[in-house]
Amino acid sequence: SQQGEEDPQALSIQEGENATMNCSYKTSINNLQWYRQNSGRGLVHLILIRSNEREKHSGRLRVTLDTSKKSSSLLITASRAADTASYFCATGGSNYKLTFGKGTLLTVNP
Amino acid sequence: GAVVSQHPSWVICKSGTSVKIECRSLDFQATTMFWYRQFPKQSLMLMATSNEGSKATYEQGVEKDKFLINHASLTLSTLTVTSAHPEDSSFYICSARPPVGGSSYNEQFFGPGTRLTVL
Repeated sequence: SQQGEEDPQALSIQEGENATMNCSYKTSINNLQWYRQNSGRGLVHLILIRSNEREKHSGRLRVTLDTSKKSSSLLITASRAADTASYFCATGGSNYKLTFGKGTLLTVNP
Repeated sequence: GAVVSQHPSWVICKSGTSVKIECRSLDFQATTMFWYRQFPKQSLMLMATSNEGSKATYEQGVEKDKFLINHASLTLSTLTVTSAHPEDSSFYICSARPPVGGSSYNEQFFGPGTRLTVL
């Protein structure tokens, strides 16, 4: 069954604005990862945050993790039209399997 | 580095035929590969974990006799959809995990996916 739940399901913003996506999960995790998928394509790994980390940055991406609330957020700053894609969180357990959330469809309008 | 390829990228077949999809790690050895399926506008659902040299481990509800997985080498895993039916039409994605010990061993590197359409 799905572990992660993202919200919102869809997000539409203007270029230059920030986009925030949230992910909640149910069981204990080793790490939480965010992936991006362009329509009809494979997934691209964006960032991994370990269970003992609270915040991580990579370029325009900022990820937070709150294990007490079992939630994570992905912030994309200064969004670009090219950021339009679906974004998935995935939780990693001790067996290296990933359990994906339902995803957020981000549309950045030029 | 860490490139995973899939072949074919799309396939159309008749109901009742079998289709083989290949997943290759091009620049690293992957002892573990994973197979997912994704329906339109939905998330990825893990089908099975493929370990080199041993039988695949299937997730609950996935028919092992219908979705045959072979991981014969450290760089190749294949998924064969046997006796395909229209309800098997989906986007099939594989991923490969780098060997334990590297800095990215918790990550999975995904192939570009294979779109299967069964008529």
